[in-house]
Amino acid sequence: EIVLTQSPGTLSLSPGERATLSCRASQSVSSSYFAWYQQKPGRAPRLLIHATSSRASGIPDRFSGSGSGTDFTLTISRLEAEDSAVYYCQQYADSPLTFGGGTRVEIK
Amino acid sequence: EVQLVQSGGGLIQPGGSLRLSCEASGFTVNSDYMSWLRQTPERGLEWVSVIYRGGYTYYAEFVKGRFTISRDNSLNTVYLQLSSLTAEDTALYYCAKGFGEFAQWGQGTLVTVSA
Repeated sequence: EIVLTQSPGTLSLSPGERATLSCRASQSVSSSYFAWYQQKPGRAPRLLIHATSSRASGIPDRFSGSGSGTDFTLTISRLEAEDSAVYYCQQYADSPLTFGGGTRVEIK
Repeated sequence: EVQLVQSGGGLIQPGGSLRLSCEASGFTVNSDYMSWLRQTPERGLEWVSVIYRGGYTYYAEFVKGRFTISRDNSLNTVYLQLSSLTAEDTALYYCAKGFGEFAQWGQGTLVTVSA
């Protein structure tokens, strides 16, 4: 099973700042099969990024993804208040599909 | 518009059984993969099961023969039958369209296993 480790656990930033979220895999993951989600309290996860860097439908361009091998990054270029949420990475290259433990983004 | 509406769930005693439902609209459930996932504060998000377009089913190791995924094409609904439940199965269960990245999710349904 591929284990995904996200860092930091919590990120506290001001509106307009740049957020960089990391996800490290326990073994190499094809970049075609890596995703990021946003989850707000009481809601299901929302797909942000798939195939490492492709934005899902309706996702603002301030969200971007990058990475390869074992290291992947989600960047939120200019934080807005509505970006306060928990963000999860996911690999779907290998079964079982697995998720990281999440990074909480707080807006000051 | 794709929508997934879940029902079922609730409080169940250890060793009991429960069936979760996921009614789809905007597409037909036999035209795509359909998955179940669950989420707990302790273990986070976990993929549970998938049913393929052709009806093949596949489960996470921790299911160990206790859960069964199925679908009723006439009702456009996917089910997850849970049995031999333990406290470790207490979770918020989601259905989702696909078996890869998940762009559409149900609203979630809570299963609590407790005496």
